[in-house]
Amino acid sequence: AQSVTQLDSQVPVFEEAPVELRCNYSSSVSVYLFWYVQYPNQGLQLLLKYLSGSTLVKGINGFEAEFNKSQTSFHLRKPSVHISDTAEYFCAVTNRDDKIIFGKGTRLHILP
Amino acid sequence: EPEVTQTPSHQVTQMGQEVILRCVPISNHLYFYWYRQILGQKVEFLVSFYNNEISEKSEIFDDQFSVERPDGSNFTLKIRSTKLEDSAMYFCASSDERADTQYFGPGTRLTVL
Repeated sequence: AQSVTQLDSQVPVFEEAPVELRCNYSSSVSVYLFWYVQYPNQGLQLLLKYLSGSTLVKGINGFEAEFNKSQTSFHLRKPSVHISDTAEYFCAVTNRDDKIIFGKGTRLHILP
Repeated sequence: EPEVTQTPSHQVTQMGQEVILRCVPISNHLYFYWYRQILGQKVEFLVSFYNNEISEKSEIFDDQFSVERPDGSNFTLKIRSTKLEDSAMYFCASSDERADTQYFGPGTRLTVL
């Protein structure tokens, strides 16, 4: 069975500071990994994904994530956050044509 | 850019009533999904649908739930007799023939009174 653990339920960070949102997964087979973002009162938007190839993937809005197979991690990073990045971020795992398993989410608070 | 759309954005219903949530997946997509998110909780899988039949369903997806693709564009989720605990945000998602990435709609907020 697959599972996703997001280690932080909330992360406060000052505007223009760097941020890392942590995600660990477990799976007995090869996986596809995703980060989705949910802005207040909106739906789920795909931020970035890892399917294969380069372990460093870049997404929208300046976010990137690194797949680390040995540590079963897929942490999300941004070098300088903006107030508009205030949202909930979900790490997710799936196989091809399978259901997505989501983490519990990390709420990113940007402090002025 | 093509998007998944969902209607209505908000549905309020009385306990015991039937509701139908509608989704229009991206036009060339083949795999369809419903998820739900109870307020403050994580997003949970309900059901997947491919080739006009259910591929997989979760424990949540009991006999009160059904899905249908009545024509070439719509994908619906029906709850026959709603319960208070069905109150949640319901998301539709779809993916293309590669089936490696699911794209989500904006959701329908269902409130059961």
